[in-house]
Amino acid sequence: DAGVIQSPRHEVTEMGQEVTLRCKPISGHNSLFWYRQTMMRGLELLIYFNNNVPIDDSGMPEDRFSAKMPNASFSTLKIQPSEPRDSAVYFCASSRQTLYEQYFGPGTRLTVT
Amino acid sequence: EDKVVQSPLSLVVHEGDTVTLNCSYEVTNFRSLLWYKQEKKAPTFLFMLTSSGIEKKSGRLSSILDKKELFSILNITATQTGDSAVYLCAVESTVLEKLTFGTGTRLTIIP
Repeated sequence: DAGVIQSPRHEVTEMGQEVTLRCKPISGHNSLFWYRQTMMRGLELLIYFNNNVPIDDSGMPEDRFSAKMPNASFSTLKIQPSEPRDSAVYFCASSRQTLYEQYFGPGTRLTVT
Repeated sequence: EDKVVQSPLSLVVHEGDTVTLNCSYEVTNFRSLLWYKQEKKAPTFLFMLTSSGIEKKSGRLSSILDKKELFSILNITATQTGDSAVYLCAVESTVLEKLTFGTGTRLTIIP
């Protein structure tokens, strides 16, 4: 099992640019989570999907953030326009069902200059 | 590659029991080890451990780190149904400045 796959692993971009983060969950997992990790705020849940449907997006910081899950094997988190305060590590995680053990991807380190 | 292994994967005990959760790790340039409790949404932070042999304690929960043997334990005494959750262990590396999480231990407390 390849585990949760995220790409890119590192992203450096300039303020105002669009950023798209990608995630491939573990095959057979029905729940997918996007987290943001910063030293100041720790690990924050941004949004999660169950069976490709967004269940809770209350953690999405603002309208500049959007997430989609067009099918069971792919999800994107988009930031447009990006700002320096968006710099963080973004984790994707998947689980068989919500509240089951979550398997985290390696994360994408985003730096917005 | 950094690696965190938690055991057991799941645990069911009766209310009032004491439980010990384990976390072993392999990480390049270790900085800290963190324990999280996850009930419904985002994992909530429990402890950060950086020094070996120093116990962190919060109420009925306590944790200790052994940097020589590369493991940590999380103890919960007099368990309550509200302790039912998934407990995540994560290690932080100074090289990549990221957290590597274990898959968690699902703890279920039976009334």
